[in-house]
Amino acid sequence: DMQMTQSPSAVSASVGDRVTITCRASQGIGSWLAWYQQKPGKAPKLLIYGASILQSGVPSRFSGSGSGTDFSLTISSLQPEDFATYYCQKANSFPFTFGPGTKVDIK
Amino acid sequence: QVQLVESGGGVVQPGRSLRLSCAASGFIFSSYDLHWVRQAPGKGLEWVAVISYDGNTQYYAASVKGRFTISRDNSKSTLYLQMNSLRAEDTALYFCAKDGGGSGWHSFDYWGQGTLVTVSS
Repeated sequence: DMQMTQSPSAVSASVGDRVTITCRASQGIGSWLAWYQQKPGKAPKLLIYGASILQSGVPSRFSGSGSGTDFSLTISSLQPEDFATYYCQKANSFPFTFGPGTKVDIK
Repeated sequence: QVQLVESGGGVVQPGRSLRLSCAASGFIFSSYDLHWVRQAPGKGLEWVAVISYDGNTQYYAASVKGRFTISRDNSKSTLYLQMNSLRAEDTALYFCAKDGGGSGWHSFDYWGQGTLVTVSS
């Protein structure tokens, strides 16, 4: 099966910082990639789909880019409510594997 | 509004069975594929299974294939996960999730709150 990797595994940042998380697929997946945010004890929340399409209601400080095997999620100005774990997920074929996650915490 | 509510979790001994349910509302249930995703304590997300909108097609993660069965009752707007031969490593919070369809690039646009399954003797 294809593997999804994310880097870094964790990042410490301050409010207002620009944060970029990368996701790599072991094989090309076109633009079939989604990003989710998860806070402790809560269900994941869809942020980005189709690699770069912002889900309705998600703040515009979140953006996604990439295609093929290399993708990124950028938070342009980190807000207090953005401290969470972020997962990428492939959606081109089953299994719909998730990346291992990137935890964004307070510096 | 879209709601997905899981139930059926609990503590079960290794080798036994459990059936999870996910009751849906707020959308045309019979039009969308549905998924189960799990999360072991302190770990990441693991995709478990998917069922097509009409119930005719299912796919499973290798870790559960042959032990778990996903099904749905479109007349009741309910998704199920039958889990047999449970193992300690199946201990997790189980989420059901709605597939956004082709227009959503098959992302998971709505999730339930999860139901906890603990496999322990």
